[in-house]
Amino acid sequence: EPEVTQTPSHQVTQMGQEVILRCVPISNHLYFYWYRQILGQKVEFLVSFYNNEISEKSEIFDDQFSVERPDGSNFTLKIRSTKLEDSAMYFCASSEAAGTSGTFYNEQFFGPGTRLTVL
Amino acid sequence: GENVEQHPSTLSVQEGDSAVIKCTYSDSASNYFPWYKQELGKRPQLIIDIRSNVGEKKDQRIAVTLNKTAKHFSLHITETQPEDSAVYFCAASPLGSGGYNKLIFGAGTRLAVHP
Repeated sequence: EPEVTQTPSHQVTQMGQEVILRCVPISNHLYFYWYRQILGQKVEFLVSFYNNEISEKSEIFDDQFSVERPDGSNFTLKIRSTKLEDSAMYFCASSEAAGTSGTFYNEQFFGPGTRLTVL
Repeated sequence: GENVEQHPSTLSVQEGDSAVIKCTYSDSASNYFPWYKQELGKRPQLIIDIRSNVGEKKDQRIAVTLNKTAKHFSLHITETQPEDSAVYFCAASPLGSGGYNKLIFGAGTRLAVHP
C-alpha cells in the first residue's frame, strides 16, 4: 500500500537556523498539507497546497514558513529562522484529487513525521 | 474559524467493555468528520470517517454517529482490546468544492484498555 514518506525522521537545529523538511506524497495525490504537533498537544493545520500554490494557511504559517514542490515528487516545508517554539513533530499529508474516485474523496494520509528540535 | 472540542481527555476501560469519545464542532459548514488513531511515536491513521449526509456509520467494532443539528459526533468502540490503546483524535473539515480541506483536530483522547 502506498504511503507518504518524510525525511529526516529527526532534525536538531540551533535557534535562528534554516531547516527544510521533506515529504514525498502518495504518487497520484494532488493535494498536500503540512500539520504540526507540539509534544502532547493536538495536531494543528499549517498549510494546504494545490496546483503549485498555497490554497490555505493558518495563523501559525507566518513569513518564516514557506512550502515548495520543487519537482514531481517532493513537497518541502522551509522554516527560515527557527525559534524554540517551532520544536514539534511536523506531519505531511496528501489526499487524492476530487473526482478521481467519483466523489470528493477527502481522506488525508499522513506521513510518519519529522521531529524538529530547536536548541 | 472552526473549533473542535473533544472529551474525555483520558479514558480507561477493561478489555471487552465499550468506549465512547465525544466531539463538538462550531462551524456549521463543516461536513466531513474523520477519526484518527495515533499510537505512540507513530503517524495518525484514519480509522473511520463520516460525511454530513449520513447519521451513522459502522465498521466492525467501530461506529461513528453524527448529529448535525447539535453539532456533535461520537466514536464508539465495542469489545475493546488492548491493541485499541492509543490516542484518538476527532477532526472536522468543510467539504468544499476545491477538493482540498484542512482538518481541524480535537485535543485527543488517550484510551487505555486494560486486560
